[in-house]
Amino acid sequence: GQQLNQSPQSMFIQEGEDVSMNCTSSSIFNTWLWYKQDPGEGPVLLIALYKAGELTSNGRLTAQFGITRKDSFLNISASIPSDVGIYFCAGQDGTASKLTFGTGTRLQVTL
Amino acid sequence: KAGVTQTPRYLIKTRGQQVTLSCSPISGHRSVSWYQQTPGQGLQFLFEYFSETQRNKGNFPGRFSGRQFSNSRSEMNVSTLELGDSALYLCASSLAGGVFQPQHFGDGTRLSIL
Repeated sequence: GQQLNQSPQSMFIQEGEDVSMNCTSSSIFNTWLWYKQDPGEGPVLLIALYKAGELTSNGRLTAQFGITRKDSFLNISASIPSDVGIYFCAGQDGTASKLTFGTGTRLQVTL
Repeated sequence: KAGVTQTPRYLIKTRGQQVTLSCSPISGHRSVSWYQQTPGQGLQFLFEYFSETQRNKGNFPGRFSGRQFSNSRSEMNVSTLELGDSALYLCASSLAGGVFQPQHFGDGTRLSIL
């Protein structure tokens, strides 16, 4: 099945550092979503983006909907240990509920 | 507010058996979608139900089926289980489905096939 290209695949960062990750697609999406998944749990919605060029923040998280509608970016500022997990982007097109997910970025934070 | 509830959390089956997984959406949510998560393929869309009707379907064989009840609860069934069906099965609900309706996930059912 289709997966969106997400990079980097994994990151090791120190507590307090800023993090950037992105997601690219060969096709256009009308909605971009970012989720975080912890071990043994389901993905938790972090940010939803609905318009090309939109920049949305949720606490230390900021995400942007690319103007081409084929990419999205997530930034985490001043990382803390609880930011550890796998971050997934997801795109949604048309009126269907189907989400196409990225390959995931595994974030690990060292003290 | 209760989240999406999936039961059971863990399940072990053998090849050839069939299995039924259950999902209770967030109260008021009428759209339920199912996803399969594996290390190799990541998160893949199975199907979506809205008002007891399958509204969208992914690229999975007919062994994978589902249904939705009048209270929006949904079940997913997999028949003639294969080793490759071992995965985390996730259910997500949204108010009405479609764009502008973000999906919220349950913690999944981990299915292991022996």
